[in-house]
Amino acid sequence: GQNIDQPTEMTATEGAIVQINCTYQTSGFNGLFWYQQHAGEAPTFLSYNVLDGLEEKGRFSSFLSRSKGYSYLLLKELQMKDSASYLCAVNWNSGAGSYQLTFGKGTKLSVIP
Amino acid sequence: NAGVTQTPKFRILKIGQSMTLQCAQDMNHNYMYWYRQDPGMGLKLIYYSVGAGITDKGEVPNGYNVSRSTTEDFPLRLELAAPSQTSVYFCASSFSPRQVLYGYTFGSGTRLTVV
Repeated sequence: GQNIDQPTEMTATEGAIVQINCTYQTSGFNGLFWYQQHAGEAPTFLSYNVLDGLEEKGRFSSFLSRSKGYSYLLLKELQMKDSASYLCAVNWNSGAGSYQLTFGKGTKLSVIP
Repeated sequence: NAGVTQTPKFRILKIGQSMTLQCAQDMNHNYMYWYRQDPGMGLKLIYYSVGAGITDKGEVPNGYNVSRSTTEDFPLRLELAAPSQTSVYFCASSFSPRQVLYGYTFGSGTRLTVV
């Protein structure tokens, strides 16, 4: 089966930097996604890592280490609007050419003034 | 571009009733998915489809059925609704896994309550 772990909640101050970690155990790994989900809304795509290393997109960066089964999402210059849940999701080969996306339970980030 | 459209947005069902959640996408995506999201539990895959006429079970398929007669539409059917099916349901679509650079596109969700 697929196992994904991430912290349940985090709190950070406006303007600061926060790192949200995700560890996973999976077979047929085909990449890791990070999604942002505001309360009552649908998840929206933030980043996708399939190779080891850091991907940077403006204030958001995502890192992957396949050998360690580890990823993190780094948010810089935090803004109040960044208060949301951040979902780590693993794309994996479920056999016969099919792929599935399995989500972690999400990390609820609260940004305080 | 409408993206992924889900209807209805909200619904209250009585135990034992049936309903169909509609999902349509206009991005010519081959892959479509149904997830449910319960508080604090993340998203769980119910069913998915890799193309018209092809569907397969995900992690939590019991109590649900799907069909995929066209590339655009992927309805989810609930037969004999139970309180355990109270949840928020999300439909999503994507290109093939070899082309997932832009992720899955999610619909806005259907909030279902079974009483």
